[in-house]
Amino acid sequence: GENVEQHPSTLSVQEGDSAVIKCTYSDSASNYFPWYKQELGKGPQLIIDIRSNVGEKKDQRIAVTLNKTAKHFSLHITETQPEDSAVYFCAASKTNFGNEKLTFGTGTRLTIIP
Amino acid sequence: NAGVTQTPKFQVLKTGQSMTLQCAQDMNHEYMSWYRQDPGMGLRLIHYSVGAGITDQGEVPNGYNVSRSTTEDFPLRLLSAAPSQTSVYFCASRRLSGTGDGYTFGSGTRLTVV
Repeated sequence: GENVEQHPSTLSVQEGDSAVIKCTYSDSASNYFPWYKQELGKGPQLIIDIRSNVGEKKDQRIAVTLNKTAKHFSLHITETQPEDSAVYFCAASKTNFGNEKLTFGTGTRLTIIP
Repeated sequence: NAGVTQTPKFQVLKTGQSMTLQCAQDMNHEYMSWYRQDPGMGLRLIHYSVGAGITDQGEVPNGYNVSRSTTEDFPLRLLSAAPSQTSVYFCASRRLSGTGDGYTFGSGTRLTVV
């Protein structure tokens, strides 16, 4: 089955700096790559996703890049703010109208230092 | 529109006891799933369902049962609780139309088995 590795496990950045979280996946047939943000005591919340036919996607201060050849994808957060502090999870799946299994990375705890 | 509602939020069980974790969604999502979250292991899929009357196993199904009698509800049953089932459990749902629409997660149930 799919295996997703995520690095780093913890990341601290100064407010206003950029943060980058990287994930690799093992199944070349995976075609959907979402990123989730989990705040303390809450469930994960989708923040951005990318499909395999696209190399990059942006939404305001966050962006995701995908390298299908190398089988890795990354989350980029620019101009970080204190409210960006959370645990971030990457995931991968082969979308097949529901018959897919979303495999998660082990998470990155991001701390923004004021 | 409440989204995905999980009950209870917290539960302590004794080894060997049984219980049911409840999950309900009001978004008419066909796909529903259960994950468990353990430190350093990300989220792992327990069971999922693509519609009423249809369920399938995920990555870690042993010790858990599910059923899907309605579109809205997807309860998770622990038949004989074990300390290894101490975890935070999340229910997630999404539409099946299109491909890869984001999952909506509930706020979780923290279960401790003593």
